[in-house]
Amino acid sequence: GAGVSQSPRYKVAKRGQDVALRCDPISGHVSLFWYQQALGQGPEFLTYFQNEAQLDKSGLPSDRFFAERPEGSVSTLKIQRTQQEDSAVYLCASSLDSGGFAKNIQYFGAGTRLSVL
Amino acid sequence: AQSVTQPDIHITVSEGASLELRCNYSYGATPYLFWYVQSPGQGLQLLLKYFSGDTLVQGIKGFEAEFKRSQSSFNLRKPSVHWSDAAEYFCAVGPSNFGNEKLTFGTGTRLTIIP
Repeated sequence: GAGVSQSPRYKVAKRGQDVALRCDPISGHVSLFWYQQALGQGPEFLTYFQNEAQLDKSGLPSDRFFAERPEGSVSTLKIQRTQQEDSAVYLCASSLDSGGFAKNIQYFGAGTRLSVL
Repeated sequence: AQSVTQPDIHITVSEGASLELRCNYSYGATPYLFWYVQSPGQGLQLLLKYFSGDTLVQGIKGFEAEFKRSQSSFNLRKPSVHWSDAAEYFCAVGPSNFGNEKLTFGTGTRLTIIP
């Protein structure tokens, strides 16, 4: 597709439920990032993939958060036993990783707004 | 650790007036700096970026930003704002000696435009 696509756009979960958020990066983009944006805050880094390898997961807030990108394209962020503090917008970004000037430009999807009741 | 400060939470300007949004960063080496804009319900759109070279960078939608190493600042400017510029603006910093790694964002500045 033309841009980064995320689904669903909105997700309402009851506390304790598991959720899965999907990200389709721009075709051919090697790197993929997940960020969490709480209300009124800037995005905060969660995790980073280069192809299928998860190179940095230092931002994941707890072991209830898990991300995967098994074939180096689509990625899924899974949150187990959701808590109210997990309510946020989850943003996915991808970058080409081709080297040169285009390096490090991250293109963002519209996000998934998660509300935990 | 790197950090970004956007001291203005909310700014209101009149349509046609000039705009300056402040951004200060903390980073040990030469940073990569970015400004993104976020409209309600939308993702982040890149306005402009600084990697090296000319410290005054031009972006989309008539925006520009100036990198000032001595002040650790990367302020965003526009000479004449339009009602469509109303949005949330985020400054971000990334490391400068690698491939792709995480961006660190400021808390954002909400821009309101009045007629």
